[in-house]
Amino acid sequence: QSALTQPASVSGSPGQSITISCTGTSSDVGYYNYVSWFQQHPGKAPKLMIYDVSNRPSGVSNRFSGSKSGNTASLTISGLQAEDEADYYCNSYSRSSPGYVFGTGTKVTVL
Amino acid sequence: QVQLQESGPGLVEPSGTLSLTCAVSGGSISSSGYWSWVRQLPEKGLEWIGQISLSGSATYNPSLKSRVTISVDKSKNQFSLNLSSVTATDTAIYYCARHFGYSFDYWGQGTLVTVSS
Repeated sequence: QSALTQPASVSGSPGQSITISCTGTSSDVGYYNYVSWFQQHPGKAPKLMIYDVSNRPSGVSNRFSGSKSGNTASLTISGLQAEDEADYYCNSYSRSSPGYVFGTGTKVTVL
Repeated sequence: QVQLQESGPGLVEPSGTLSLTCAVSGGSISSSGYWSWVRQLPEKGLEWIGQISLSGSATYNPSLKSRVTISVDKSKNQFSLNLSSVTATDTAIYYCARHFGYSFDYWGQGTLVTVSS
């Protein structure tokens, strides 16, 4: 199981929208609609932001949205706020093994 | 609301076995059919270690499979991780997490385990 590929960093100004990509293979992202996104602030545990590609858990802001096309999933944060500055990880169920694979992680900076 | 708490030694000697327990409180371990362990290497990303079902069936990351055992004790509302033959590369923050379908909705705060003599 190889890690899903994410950009190392993405930045944006307050109020802007940013998109983080997550590229996998036809055995994971491309095969299942089981992509999740997690937000992690320094020293904290990951927090579920999106599950099953595009669903938001209760309590998560609707500024966060997810989508998928082929082997690539995306997380979009609209109306960027200072509190959104964190690391973001994607995750997918994989038919390899089977099991779960995480993305390499993306550091989001609010300028 | 469900809370998860990892516990175990923070220091393990090389070639030894890392043993951690995840206690589930605020609800029953039967609130989910699956529970997982995830680790985060220093300044690195997340790595799924494996999962256990309430029936005791385990699935492991192939890269760790030969060294990992995950078990569940429903009577104690907890599940455990054993990782054998550890080296310095196993130094990480270890998290336990509850499955929500094919995702993870509740996480423990994490516990740092250092492998060193």
